[in-house]
Amino acid sequence: TQLLEQSPQFLSIQEGENLTVYCNSSSVFSSLQWYRQEPGEGPVLLVTVVTGGEVKKLKRLTFQFGDARKDSSLHITAAQTGDTGLYLCAVRSGGNQFYFGTGTSLTVIP
Amino acid sequence: EAQVTQNPRYLITVTGKKLTVTCSQNMNHEYMSWYRQDPGLGLRQIYYSMNVEVTDKGDVPEGYKVSRKEKRNFPLILESPSPNQTSLYFCASRDRGRYEQYFGPGTRLTVT
Repeated sequence: TQLLEQSPQFLSIQEGENLTVYCNSSSVFSSLQWYRQEPGEGPVLLVTVVTGGEVKKLKRLTFQFGDARKDSSLHITAAQTGDTGLYLCAVRSGGNQFYFGTGTSLTVIP
Repeated sequence: EAQVTQNPRYLITVTGKKLTVTCSQNMNHEYMSWYRQDPGLGLRQIYYSMNVEVTDKGDVPEGYKVSRKEKRNFPLILESPSPNQTSLYFCASRDRGRYEQYFGPGTRLTVT
């Protein structure tokens, strides 16, 4: 059983479209991170959210932490081909252990 | 340039032949971790280290060993690799008090 469930698993959209991906859990977390991983590389941190209801923006990317701190969403406005990649959410639990979701693989078609 | 390096990047080996994957970071980070990434299962933490000579098990430690004799290095050792350890492995480091992990480029291991 996965601690973090991400949806959708795969997403293919046209350049310029908007999209939202989700990270859900039945557990409460003190913080949640979003990473992007490109083929042949390791994940790179996009953002950390720590407060319930918090919204953070990174250019065209908007991240929200659920009010109950059990879930999070990532919204991309006007997707570009450079947004293509695997989007992973992650949480820290029990001190130094980290858990990752299975990821959403995004393909933006020109 | 701040980075985490791993070697080798690709490795094909046979069952039972001991191997070591090296990991080194140049950011003076205290915390280091090893993960494996498998389709449908995501990234799973194998072992982590809080400092020199301090290590602990992650979610999937069976079949792996680690050591932390120096702050910058955190090798992953497979004493007797088996085919179910075929995977993509990542080393990561982070600073004390920070959530952000810096990942290496990955090592693709195939055990036949």
